[in-house]
Amino acid sequence: NAGVTQTPKFQVLKTGQSMTLQCAQDMNHEYMSWYRQDPGMGLRLIHYSVGAGITDQGEVPNGYNVSRSTTEDFPLRLLSAAPSQTSVYFCASSAHLGAQYFGPGTRLLVL
Amino acid sequence: TQLLEQSPQFLSIQEGENLTVYCNSSSVFSSLQWYRQEPGEGPVLLVTVVTGGEVKKLKRLTFQFGDARKDSSLHITAAQPGDTGLYLCADNTGNQFYFGTGTSLTVIP
Repeated sequence: NAGVTQTPKFQVLKTGQSMTLQCAQDMNHEYMSWYRQDPGMGLRLIHYSVGAGITDQGEVPNGYNVSRSTTEDFPLRLLSAAPSQTSVYFCASSAHLGAQYFGPGTRLLVL
Repeated sequence: TQLLEQSPQFLSIQEGENLTVYCNSSSVFSSLQWYRQEPGEGPVLLVTVVTGGEVKKLKRLTFQFGDARKDSSLHITAAQPGDTGLYLCADNTGNQFYFGTGTSLTVIP
C-alpha cells in the first residue's frame, strides 16, 4: 500500500495563477481532509470530506475549492493564488474519524 | 472551534533527560490524539486516548488523559535524539479535527 500520496512536492506560483494539489489514498478511507501548516499556527483544516460526493468547509476555506468524485482522490484547487497562501499543505485520510494518515506534504511558494 | 493549547512551545534537552509536554483545552475533548512530525514529513499518530484518567505507554512514552478530559500530557523517559520532532495533539469535534500548535522538541546527543 502506498498510503496517502501527494503531488507535487514543491511548487512556485505567481500571484493570480491557479493550480491543483493532488491527493490520493489506497486504504479505502471514507474521510479525507486538507490542512495547511504555517510556523506557529499548527495544522489548520481547509476542507474535508466524509465520503465520495460530500465535501465541507473547515477552519480556513477561503481561496480553496475541493471535490470528491471518488473515494480515492481529493484534489485541492487554488483559484487565484495569493502570497498569503504560501504554506505547506498536507492531505490526510482516516477511517471512521480515527487515526489520520498524512501524506508527505506539498510546499507551495506564491510570489 | 476547539482551541488546544500546547506547552512548552520549544524544548531543548540533553540525551537521557526526562521531559513532559502538555495539551490543554477549555472544552472537553471527545478523544485526544498525539502525533509526532519529523522535519519535512507529515505527522504520524502515536496514540489515541478516549477515557478520562486513561494512561497509555508506548515504549519510553507515557500518555495521560486528565480525569475531566480537558488536558493530556506526554512524558518521555530517557530522551534520545530519535525523539526529536514536533509533537502535536488533536481533537475531533463533529467531523473536524483541531490541532494544537505543537511542542518542538530537540534532543541533543
